[in-house]
Amino acid sequence: QVQLVESGGGVVQPERSLRLSCAASGFTFRSYAMHWVRQAPGKGLEWVALISFDGSNEYYADSVKGRFTISRDNFKNTLYLQMNSLRTGDTAVYYCARDVLTAGTRGFQHWGQGTLVTVSS
Amino acid sequence: QSALTQPASVSASPGQSITISCTGTSSDVGGYNYVSWYQQHPGKAPKLIIYDVVQWPSGVYNRFSGSKSGNTASLTISGLQAEDEADYYCASYTSSGTWVFGGGTKLTVL
Repeated sequence: QVQLVESGGGVVQPERSLRLSCAASGFTFRSYAMHWVRQAPGKGLEWVALISFDGSNEYYADSVKGRFTISRDNFKNTLYLQMNSLRTGDTAVYYCARDVLTAGTRGFQHWGQGTLVTVSS
Repeated sequence: QSALTQPASVSASPGQSITISCTGTSSDVGGYNYVSWYQQHPGKAPKLIIYDVVQWPSGVYNRFSGSKSGNTASLTISGLQAEDEADYYCASYTSSGTWVFGGGTKLTVL
């Protein structure tokens, strides 16, 4: 079965960096686009970033563009999110999600359990 | 990248039907048939219930149905059950190649 396991969350000071990882199993990782989606405490879902199946295309929400970088290692079946210049507003549970179909991007079919990032001095 | 507009809350009794709207623009909801819906119970990860406006992922009950007219998509849940009480989010692909979520709707089953 599809499994997505995030790691790397924690407490970090403003302006510092953090890298999240998402280990994937149970499907052909290299065939699917992948996403990061976050949810601030008590708030709604916010899409963060998308990377194409082969890593050749990346897209970002305006709120993180220039500070966050999504990447993937199709040999290690792992998705990453490098987060730089963190702000208190980045505090959230970060989910990795697998796209619906192998062609393009259609939504978020499988989700990890999430990892909490807290940005605080 | 403004969030799609959803009602904050809806409520109904068991057995009834409800519809949740999701309003965007011609650059997202109105421009693509890539609208999806998600159910989220407290403390849990979201679950995909509809994609491509009307499609069910495998394992999702067909009490959930989707539609779209112009810049507004809708999710209808028929035969409400207690376990349907949750938060519901719409999401749409956009002309920028990004995705945008709605603000979420809290469904209360009375």
